Amino acid sequence: DAGVTQSPTHLIKTRGQHVTLRCSPISGHKSVSWYQQVLGQGPQFIFQYYEKEERGRGNFPDRFSARQFPNYSSELNVNALLLGDSALYLCASSRDRDRARPQHFGDGTRLSIL
Amino acid sequence: GQQLNQSPQSMFIQEGEDVSMNCTSSSIFNTWLWYKQDPGEGPVLLIALYKAGELTSNGRLTAQFGITRKDSFLNISASIPSDVGIYFCAGSTGTASKLTFGTGTRLQVTL
Repeated sequence: DAGVTQSPTHLIKTRGQHVTLRCSPISGHKSVSWYQQVLGQGPQFIFQYYEKEERGRGNFPDRFSARQFPNYSSELNVNALLLGDSALYLCASSRDRDRARPQHFGDGTRLSIL
Repeated sequence: GQQLNQSPQSMFIQEGEDVSMNCTSSSIFNTWLWYKQDPGEGPVLLIALYKAGELTSNGRLTAQFGITRKDSFLNISASIPSDVGIYFCAGSTGTASKLTFGTGTRLQVTL
């Protein structure tokens, strides 16, 4: 089975622009989470969606939003981009919200803000 | 945001040596996970731990869930060059929804 797929793999934007990142979970996985990984640090939790509803939100500004579609794929949107938004954005999926079913990550989208 | 403390931050070892690293938290977790991340890739799950005191192995890797539920340990035996990478611990307090990651341990193996 295919793993978590994310697109695009790389993206360059300028300050003030808007960006949309996409994620397709592993087949059969209903939960999708988004993480931001700044260079040299561990991933930071942004959002979790399960059954198309937001189930958790990290400490990120309202410029960050996300949604999950009926096929369980997800989009992460970031408005009014800042230089500090430059990071690797990771998507992770799990079969459900059960802690015994850990998350599996995609290879991420590398976002660079100029 | 919060990050768990991992030590050591980085380590150079010779091929064939055993490796130990740990992760500590000021908060209690009821799930501990260990991931490995290679350059340009996402984290790959190595071991999952669900009970305090639990000791779990995956090939040459062994991880333990600390009794206090505030720490976890990862050991790699007989290291090989492909063990090179960054190892992250991650903790969860409830569902699988939100993981809090550590600061990472960078492992480099010399021949």
